[in-house]
Amino acid sequence: NAGVMQNPRHLVRRRGQEARLRCSPMKGHSHVYWYRQLPEEGLKFMVYLQKENIIDESGMPKERFSAEFPKEGPSILRIQQVVRGDSAAYFCASSRYNRGLHDSPLHFGNGTRLTVT
Amino acid sequence: SQQGEEDPQALSIQEGENATMNCSYKTSINNLQWYRQNSGRGLVHLILIRSNEREKHSGRLRVTLDTSKKSSSLLITASRAADTASYFCATAQIYNQGGKLIFGQGTELSVKP
Repeated sequence: NAGVMQNPRHLVRRRGQEARLRCSPMKGHSHVYWYRQLPEEGLKFMVYLQKENIIDESGMPKERFSAEFPKEGPSILRIQQVVRGDSAAYFCASSRYNRGLHDSPLHFGNGTRLTVT
Repeated sequence: SQQGEEDPQALSIQEGENATMNCSYKTSINNLQWYRQNSGRGLVHLILIRSNEREKHSGRLRVTLDTSKKSSSLLITASRAADTASYFCATAQIYNQGGKLIFGQGTELSVKP
């Protein structure tokens, strides 16, 4: 079974450009999470989505960042007008059940490393 | 704010020794999970301990949970060079429509052969 797939693995953008990060969850998983990791730091929660719904976006910056998980296709994390401070590794994770975190872990992709020049 | 603070931040040991990492958290939890991250990779789940459990084992891993002190520890016995990685604790906050994991800063473990 394929795990959580993220692409691209590496993304370089100039300041002011847009970055689009894609995440395909594990087969059968309908819950997607996005986390951001700065160098030598832990993962910071950004957003939790179910198909066509944003459940919790309490970790998303108020401006320039948006996320979606459409009925068909991968989840997309979009960063508009990127700045140098957006440089980080962005990880996607998925789970299967609505209350899966009671008993089940999250399954992570290998991340997208965004570099803003 | 994020919760889950690991201690120590970095740990260097010799192969065969035991490694102990500690995690503290601030709010009530449903469960606590430990993850491992190799350099440049995503996180891999190691073990989950529920709030009503005090100790759990999985192979060379032993996890304890003390909800009165809001702390957990991860013990890796008979460490190997391949155990070199960063280790993170994460607390599960569950609500009506789902839940999320809140991660700590991690402990960077180096096991020297």
